[in-house]
Amino acid sequence: SAVISQKPSRDICQRGTSLTIQCQVDSQVTMMFWYRQQPGQSLTLIATANQGSEATYESGFVIDKFPISRPNLTFSTLTVSNMSPEDSSIYLCSVEQGITNTEAFFGQGTRLTVV
Amino acid sequence: AQSVAQPEDQVNVAEGNPLTVKCTYSVSGNPYLFWYVQYPNRGLQFLLKYITGDNLVKGSYGFEAEFNKSQTSFHLKKPSALVSDSALYFCAVRDRVGTGGGNKLTFGTGTQLKVEL
Repeated sequence: SAVISQKPSRDICQRGTSLTIQCQVDSQVTMMFWYRQQPGQSLTLIATANQGSEATYESGFVIDKFPISRPNLTFSTLTVSNMSPEDSSIYLCSVEQGITNTEAFFGQGTRLTVV
Repeated sequence: AQSVAQPEDQVNVAEGNPLTVKCTYSVSGNPYLFWYVQYPNRGLQFLLKYITGDNLVKGSYGFEAEFNKSQTSFHLKKPSALVSDSALYFCAVRDRVGTGGGNKLTFGTGTQLKVEL
């Protein structure tokens, strides 16, 4: 299994500002994903972080709001831009080896509160 | 499109009693099924998965799950619950065959398990 370090673990931010969340994996992985978990709700996939190219965003999520970088096979960042209170959520980094019968592994999450 | 339903928002069990957390799924083909657990202020931890073969799958911390194709269910079970099992449990599904969803994982809404003394 992969060990995933995600930081910050939590933050309180002013509306209108941006926060960058980092995800570091202890081994090279094929697939990296970013999820959002709103209070009391399930996980929603934001995007797939592609190494060396632009991320693939899910319906309802756009690059201007959630820019993602993935410079190599072990690291990715998610930025939450121009934040509003509605962005208050847990953001989770996830990794997979790109084989459909294997499980995903998750970072501990970043709990973001926008005030 | 694939989907997962967890019909119970919360399950309450007395310690030592058996527990069941329900999950039903819908996929166009055959599924890969997963259970994850989330403790407070933590990420999701993998518990077990069904890929193929024996319908009863055993996983971490004494948990097991039974795949039932005719009922499209994958209920999580444990013979004797512990207070430390109290957490949020998520069922997830992935279609074996590449579809418009691109083999993504789809999660249920989660079930809060509360085990009391």
